[in-house]
Amino acid sequence: LAKTTQPISMDSYEGQEVNITCSHNNIATNDYITWYQQFPSQGPRFIIQGYKTKVTNEVASLFIPADRKSSTLSLPRVSLSDTAVYYCLVGSPSGGYQKVTFGIGTKLQVIP
Amino acid sequence: GAVVSQHPSWVICKSGTSVKIECRSLDFQATTMFWYRQFPKQSLMLMATSNEGSKATYEQGVEKDKFLINHASLTLSTLTVTSAHPEDSSFYICSGSGPAGYNEQFFGPGTRLTVL
Repeated sequence: LAKTTQPISMDSYEGQEVNITCSHNNIATNDYITWYQQFPSQGPRFIIQGYKTKVTNEVASLFIPADRKSSTLSLPRVSLSDTAVYYCLVGSPSGGYQKVTFGIGTKLQVIP
Repeated sequence: GAVVSQHPSWVICKSGTSVKIECRSLDFQATTMFWYRQFPKQSLMLMATSNEGSKATYEQGVEKDKFLINHASLTLSTLTVTSAHPEDSSFYICSGSGPAGYNEQFFGPGTRLTVL
């Protein structure tokens, strides 16, 4: 399983764009990159997933360079409610399921 | 996205008793379910992986006789903490994954277990 490395914490003011970068140097060919958000005492919530280049949905963008050894989650115009822990996960379907390993995550604190 | 529920959301029990936690996929068939444990201010740690109708595969260091996992149907998995002790107090989270090619895990809301 590919290991991921993220900053432990980040602070941002409300309304700013936040970029969280994740390193995954030993990502495998079949691996996808998935980001989850977790609030205290809640289960993780899916944010976005990608394989290469750029993926955008209604809440975030995910940038993946050609070598796929890193990825960047971009949150536009964060609000106080975006204060949470963000996990970058790398894994692939294998035998019909995906087994991933959670890293320590990035604790994002949005400041008013 | 797909919805996974857990029951109960929290439970307090006495040391030595057994506690069962249910995990249900409400609107999809979870061919595989995962069980995680999370201690305060720590990341999620995978405990075991279970496929419907098969025995669970436990991660290294997780006692299979203590944490009994049953995945009897495509929508239900249960985790039973047997003879619980205070050190088993934690936040237990399950997730479900769909059929082959389905790359995403859907997580339940978690169950807070406190063993007195």
